[in-house]
Amino acid sequence: AQSVAQPEDQVNVAEGNPLTVKCTYSVSGNPYLFWYVQYPNRGLQFLLKYITGDNLVKGSYGFEAEFNKSQTSFHLKKPSALVSDSALYFCAVSPRNSGNTPLVFGKGTRLSVIA
Amino acid sequence: GAGVSQSPSNKVTEKGKDVELRCDPISGHTALYWYRQSLGQGLEFLIYFQGNSAPDKSGLPSDRFSAERTGGSVSTLTIQRTQQEDSAVYLCASSPLLINEKLFFGSGTQLSVL
Repeated sequence: AQSVAQPEDQVNVAEGNPLTVKCTYSVSGNPYLFWYVQYPNRGLQFLLKYITGDNLVKGSYGFEAEFNKSQTSFHLKKPSALVSDSALYFCAVSPRNSGNTPLVFGKGTRLSVIA
Repeated sequence: GAGVSQSPSNKVTEKGKDVELRCDPISGHTALYWYRQSLGQGLEFLIYFQGNSAPDKSGLPSDRFSAERTGGSVSTLTIQRTQQEDSAVYLCASSPLLINEKLFFGSGTQLSVL
């Protein structure tokens, strides 16, 4: 069965500094990988996904993530954090050849960007 | 509507009562999912509907939980004889044909069981 680990419950970063939110996964075969964001009092929103091709995926709001097959990781990054990036971030995985297997989400990482 | 709509947004109930949570997916989306979000637990998969296929109920935590999807559109999640541990935010999401398309989430129903 697939699983996702987000090792940090909380990440704090100063505004303007680069940020990284970590994610590792376990899945049979090749994965589809996703990042979602949940802003305060709002529903989850899709940020980006890795399906195939370039290991560096660019998404909404200046975020990007790098697929590393050897390390089974898909860390979320942004070169310069904004206070408005403060939110709860979820990594998710699904096996590529799953057919009908729903996404499995991590427990989430709360990002706080401090002005 | 433009997005996934869930109702009610908040539900307070007494232990032992039944509750129904409703989800209106985006028109034309064939896949519909229910997840549960508890503090510190992330998103827990509950059930998945795809077109006319039999639903994937593998995530339902007990037989007190059930869900229906009528006419391939609106879905209702029912929790019978609610327990305090059922308190959580229940999220519905829909997506187009393929399972690995991105999910569009509703704002959720905050369920509080007293």
